[in-house]
Amino acid sequence: GESVGLHLPTLSVQEGDNSIINCAYSNSASDYFIWYKQESGKGPQFIIDIRSNMDKRQGQRVTVLLNKTVKHLSLQIAATQPGDSAVYFCAENFRLTFGKGTHLIIQP
Amino acid sequence: DTGVSQDPRHKITKRGQNVTFRCDPISEHNRLYWYRQTLGQGPEFLTYFQNEAQLEKSRLLSDRFSAERPKGSFSTLEIQRTEQGDSAMYLCASSRLAGKNIQYFGAGTRLSVL
Repeated sequence: GESVGLHLPTLSVQEGDNSIINCAYSNSASDYFIWYKQESGKGPQFIIDIRSNMDKRQGQRVTVLLNKTVKHLSLQIAATQPGDSAVYFCAENFRLTFGKGTHLIIQP
Repeated sequence: DTGVSQDPRHKITKRGQNVTFRCDPISEHNRLYWYRQTLGQGPEFLTYFQNEAQLEKSRLLSDRFSAERPKGSFSTLEIQRTEQGDSAMYLCASSRLAGKNIQYFGAGTRLSVL
């Protein structure tokens, strides 16, 4: 069956550094992906999305890269800030299939 | 604030009791979704509505679970004869019918079954 998963359960970075969170998916028919951020005690919050006809999309301090050949996508966060501490999920649209998430920890 | 609203935020119940959660979606959103999330896991899809019609249910949704969206606006999720394994965060999300299916989530209802 289809699955979406992240490579690392925890990622620790220094404040101000760039963060890269990875995600692999198995359904080659997937055509739309979303990254969500979930802070403790809150629901997932939309960050950025990308369609399968694109390989890169940029937002404010975030970039998503999609490699359909190896069925991999990544979320890059520039100049990581303390407020970026959260669990990050990639999800496959329509019926969102989430992985376990990567917990991003920001060290001062 | 016109985001997705869920009530209650927390619910503690005894095993065997029935519980009901409510979700108020973003007002112009036709689609409404329910997910369940346990500690350390990502949300798992349970069911979704398009207007008042329940179009899909996950195999995770046992017979003890029922969801309704009678007027195509708010939705309720009821769990009958709760079990300890039902303890989880229940998340609601909504999205527009047309265009990209960006789902916006509420803060969730945390259920603890004792």
